[in-house]
Formats: sequence, C-alpha cells, structure tokens
Amino acid sequence: KNEVEQSPQNLTAQEGEFITINCSYSVGISALHWLQQHPGGGIVSLFMLSSGKKKHGRLIATINIQEKHSSLHITASHPRDSAVYICAVGSYGGSQGNLIFGKGTKLSVKP
Amino acid sequence: DAGVTQSPTHLIKTRGQQVTLRCSPKSGHDTVSWYQQALGQGPQFIFQYYEEEERQRGNFPDRFSGHQFPNYSSELNVNALLLGDSALYLCASSFSSVRGRVGEQYFGPGTRLTVT
Repeated sequence: KNEVEQSPQNLTAQEGEFITINCSYSVGISALHWLQQHPGGGIVSLFMLSSGKKKHGRLIATINIQEKHSSLHITASHPRDSAVYICAVGSYGGSQGNLIFGKGTKLSVKP
Repeated sequence: DAGVTQSPTHLIKTRGQQVTLRCSPKSGHDTVSWYQQALGQGPQFIFQYYEEEERQRGNFPDRFSGHQFPNYSSELNVNALLLGDSALYLCASSFSSVRGRVGEQYFGPGTRLTVT
C-alpha cells in the first residue's frame, strides 16, 4: 500500500463544475503539499499546509490531521485548470525533509 | 528572481554512459532535493543536499551521486546508465531553518533524460 493515496486517478469535468481531489496518507507528517504539473513536466507548488484550510483564488485546500486526509477543491473550473494534481507529504522524522508523493490525479476540464 | 533553474532541458544518452544534471536553487534557498519521475508515476526522492553534504537519501543505487557547491547549486550524476533511468529529473530548492526544518519546496522545470 502506498503511503500517499490519491483519488480519483482521472477526472473529467465540464467547465464551471466544482472539483474535489482527495489525498490520504499513512505516515506522520509535518506538512502536506498540493502541486500542479502541466504536460511537459514543470511542477508548481499550490499549497503547503499543516492544519486547517488555505484558499488561493479558485483553489481551496483543507487538511484533517486526525483523519490523515486532505482535499483540494477547484471552484468554477476552467479548461486551463487541466493538469495533473499531486499530493505530497513531508515526513520530518529523524533528519529533514524529503517528500513522499502520490501518483497524481489527471484532471481534464472540457469547455 | 529566476526561481529554480535546471539544465539541460532534454538529454539523450546511451546505455552505459554517464550523465550530469545541474540545478540552481531559488535565491535565498540553501537546500536542494532531487527527484526522479518515471512516466505516469509520482516523483521519487533521490537525495537532498544541505551545506554541501548529502543529508538524506532515498532508495537509489550508488550509481546516483550528487554534489552541492558553495553557492548552493547542485549536480546529479548518474553512472552506467540503464534504460530504466529514463525519466524526468526534478530539482527542488528550499530553505532549512536553524532547527533544520525544511520549508516549502520550489521545483524546477526538470530535465528529461532518455536512455537508448
């Protein structure tokens, strides 16, 4: 079982729809990251959070530490949101800071 | 601020050869992490450099080695290339606090390595 699980693996939505991507993890973490990867490879960090909720524009990320679960929401989705969304956790156990990644959720928003 | 930069963008090598990939961190960052992303998979942690030393390492063979320079830039070296080393190699930089906690990681655009 992977330490970081995302669902769904693939998601197709119509423009304007509300989208939710889920992430569950099984390790103790210091922080959880939501990342966006467009075709061609570049990764952009969307959020880093360790508790509660963060909002940036149409994107909202929440985390429940007790349940080891996080969600990424996109409101009023747009075709330019089409990308792979990756959940990653920072496990700061003994030494410092590598990230453990989920396999990603491929989002396609149709006009 | 140029952000995290990587070179080259693309690279084609043959089996058995050696390759060096380069990364320049975001201004103010002192920690560099390297990741390998195979097609259709999430990135896998290779190693992390801080203060010119390898601070942490993932499950990668000794063929993968690295270096960090005094200006915090970093190199990833892979010897005796295998077909399975074909992947996108991502570099991420961050700032490590006095207590050693690693802050938010900023990713470079990656180097796509193809081994034939």
